[in-house]
Order: sequence, then structure tokens, then C-alpha cells
Amino acid sequence: DSGVTQTPKHLITATGQRVTLRCSPRSGDLSVYWYQQSLDQGLQFLIQYYNGEERAKGNILERFSAQQFPDLHSELNLSSLELGDSALYFCASSPRRPTDTQYFGPGTRLTVL
Amino acid sequence: TQLLEQSPQFLSIQEGENLTVYCNSSSVFSSLQWYRQEPGEGPVLLVTVVTGGEVKKLKRLTFQFGDARKDSSLHITAAQPGDTGLYLCADLGENNNDMRFGAGTRLTVKP
Repeated sequence: DSGVTQTPKHLITATGQRVTLRCSPRSGDLSVYWYQQSLDQGLQFLIQYYNGEERAKGNILERFSAQQFPDLHSELNLSSLELGDSALYFCASSPRRPTDTQYFGPGTRLTVL
Repeated sequence: TQLLEQSPQFLSIQEGENLTVYCNSSSVFSSLQWYRQEPGEGPVLLVTVVTGGEVKKLKRLTFQFGDARKDSSLHITAAQPGDTGLYLCADLGENNNDMRFGAGTRLTVKP
């Protein structure tokens, strides 16, 4: 158990819909990272937040957005969903910097039908 | 754009055998990390290497970082079924804020 929790574990929805994925970091960690893992693209970094502020952006689509709240939990919002958005979405947390060990949550499996 | 290539893509061996998997980059790594991901779980960090030529050992796992910092290998001695998983290499990227992963080597160790 990494100490990072993600909900829901599974999510099935239809094209065009919007979903919200939730992540609670390890106690004391200030940085949260979101990743997408699909069969064809592998594991890809989406975005990082540090203490409520966006710190780095990776391959995140404009249809996707995220935020980190004052209690440090984070949400990833995916809108106008397409079939290709079906993937595992992981959240990770670290004390501060990306060079700190990142602890990954168990992931949310999103299926878009 | 940096490309990370891992080989082999799949590897199936018997318990007790030794194996080596590789990670090569099209450009110099800033910080190289190796992860293991088991089915249904998130990746778990195994090691971080930064210095060219660096060798790190973690029980039966030996990690080597090439002198030019463009390649790395992971050697497992006397593999066990518990070593089964997806082994991923990753680079933190410039300024350590653009993490990139290889496609991984999927290892199966049969009892």
C-alpha cells in the first residue's frame, strides 16, 4: 500500500461524457502527479501540482483539466470523452520535487463506450 | 523529443534463471529511474541513477547506467515468480518536470 488513494477504481461511461477522478496523496506530500497508461501509448505524464499550484505540464489534452485543493487532494476532470481516452489513470505523490520518490496509487480504470 | 526504447518487450523464463533487460535513450538522461509494475497496481520505484557508469544493487537486482548516460540495464539474478511484472525505465526530463517512460519489458517468471 503506497498510501495514495484513488477513486473510483473503475469507471464506465459513454463518449461525449465528463468524468472526475479523485486522488488523495500520502500524508505530508505536497506534490501530486497525474499519469495516463494505455496499451498503445504506454505510461504518459499529464500534469503536476505542488501545494495547490500547477507546476508542470506533460501530454495533457485541452479536454482534460486538473486541480489540487487546499487539503491537497486532487481531481482530474476529463470531458468530451472519446473512445481513445479509455486507459488507466494513475495519481502519484511526492514530498516536494519530482526528484523525490513518487508513490503511485492503484489507478482508476476508465472505459469509454 | 526524447525516445526511450526498452528491450526485450516480453521475456518469459523459468525460476532460477538470470536475465537482463535494457533501456536506451535517444538523448542523454537527466535522471534515470527503474520501476516495477505488477498487474492491477501502480508502478513502484526500484532505483534512481544519475551518474554515468553508476552501478547500484538491490538484493538480486543490479542496475547499470552507461558511461554516456544514454543507456541502462537491469540484471536479475536467480529470478523468482515474485519478480514477475512490467519493468519500466523513466527519465525525469529537463528540469525534472517532464517525466518520460519507456514502453516496458513484461517479465514472467514461471515456477
